[in-house]
Amino acid sequence: EDKVVQSPLSLVVHEGDTVTLNCSYEVTNFRSLLWYKQEKKAPTFLFMLTSSGIEKKSGRLSSILDKKELFSILNITATQTGDSAIYLCAVRRSGSARQLTFGSGTQLTVLP
Amino acid sequence: EPEVTQTPSHQVTQMGQEVILRCVPISNHLYFYWYRQILGQKVEFLVSFYNNEISEKSEIFDDQFSVERPDGSNFTLKIRSTKLEDSAMYFCASSPGTGNTGELFFGEGSRLTVL
Repeated sequence: EDKVVQSPLSLVVHEGDTVTLNCSYEVTNFRSLLWYKQEKKAPTFLFMLTSSGIEKKSGRLSSILDKKELFSILNITATQTGDSAIYLCAVRRSGSARQLTFGSGTQLTVLP
Repeated sequence: EPEVTQTPSHQVTQMGQEVILRCVPISNHLYFYWYRQILGQKVEFLVSFYNNEISEKSEIFDDQFSVERPDGSNFTLKIRSTKLEDSAMYFCASSPGTGNTGELFFGEGSRLTVL
């Protein structure tokens, strides 16, 4: 059974802080790892990672994958209150009809 | 920007009743999915649908559940006889066919409350 574990489960920081969210996984025939942000309802896509060591970056957010150690991190620099959300990590297998297995998420709260 | 739309946003039903949750996926997408999230728990895969048939389903997706694409635009999830434990947020998602990143685009969800 595929397994995705995220840590920490929750995190409270102040605006301007940098945070690192962790995701470790066990999956048969790994294809890709995806990060989503869930604010109120729908998860919205952040990144998809397939290759080790290649950083994906979007503004203050960045993410990297280590396929040897089976984990990924999501970094957010200079956090803002609008970054407060649940950050979800999900993995997809090869050959799967693109279904995702999600972790429990990290609840990030950014205080002003 | 194209989006996945879901109706209703919230439905309250009595145990044993049938419910139908509706989704309009993004128009040129080929893969459709239903996921659910019980309050405080993980987002869980229910079923994927491609080329007018179920391509994968989880153990949650038992005989009480069915999916349909009745008219080429809507994608529905039917729960025949709801149970208390079916109370959850149900997300529809879609993804393009070839050449995409594997990203799934999620709708805003339909919250189902079974009393």
